[in-house]
Amino acid sequence: SQQGEEDPQALSIQEGENATMNCSYKTSINNLQWYRQNSGRGLVHLILIRSNEREKHSGRLRVTLDTSKKSSSLLITASRAADTASYFCATDNNAGNMLTFGGGTRLMVKP
Amino acid sequence: DVKVTQSSRYLVKRTGEKVFLECVQDMDHENMFWYRQDPGLGLRLIYFSYDVKMKEKGDIPEGYSVSREKKERFSLILESASTNQTSMYLCASSVGGGGGAAYEQYFGPGTRLTVT
Repeated sequence: SQQGEEDPQALSIQEGENATMNCSYKTSINNLQWYRQNSGRGLVHLILIRSNEREKHSGRLRVTLDTSKKSSSLLITASRAADTASYFCATDNNAGNMLTFGGGTRLMVKP
Repeated sequence: DVKVTQSSRYLVKRTGEKVFLECVQDMDHENMFWYRQDPGLGLRLIYFSYDVKMKEKGDIPEGYSVSREKKERFSLILESASTNQTSMYLCASSVGGGGGAAYEQYFGPGTRLTVT
């Protein structure tokens, strides 16, 4: 079952613009993670945000978490062509031993 | 640098064959995972292991089995491959404690398996 659902499914922007991706989930979580996947490759971890945190930053990445709305957003500022990839959110289950991934947002950054 | 390696990037097998996918991690991680990834469905967990010789079913274990005889190695076995098992298979590992989903997972490059 897919716990997290990303929105939009696809996003195309120009280099230098900001990209915002959203993730909604259904049940309570302990943490939410964001991953990036370049075409045909494995996933790379970006950020982990715990349920008691509201916002987290890492370089040009900003993640917010709203547990009351069961949603999270990933903001990439000043995007670059190298940011072109698929982005996935992942949430843990109640037991905290499994991650469930959403379907991903495909981001294209045009130079 | 954490490294997770998978035995093959591309694999073509025939229906009914027994298939072994190998995954090795070099960071002494307790937890290891096998996912499959299909377009539009995201990643789905097949099996995971939190210790040597231990295994837990994920969301879609049917048609698969796993083996973890050594801490660094986690194998996925397709007992009798079928065409609906054509997919990208991704292995991951993470540190233990606090549950397998409490920490970031490190992924291998994936094995694209085609069953004809």
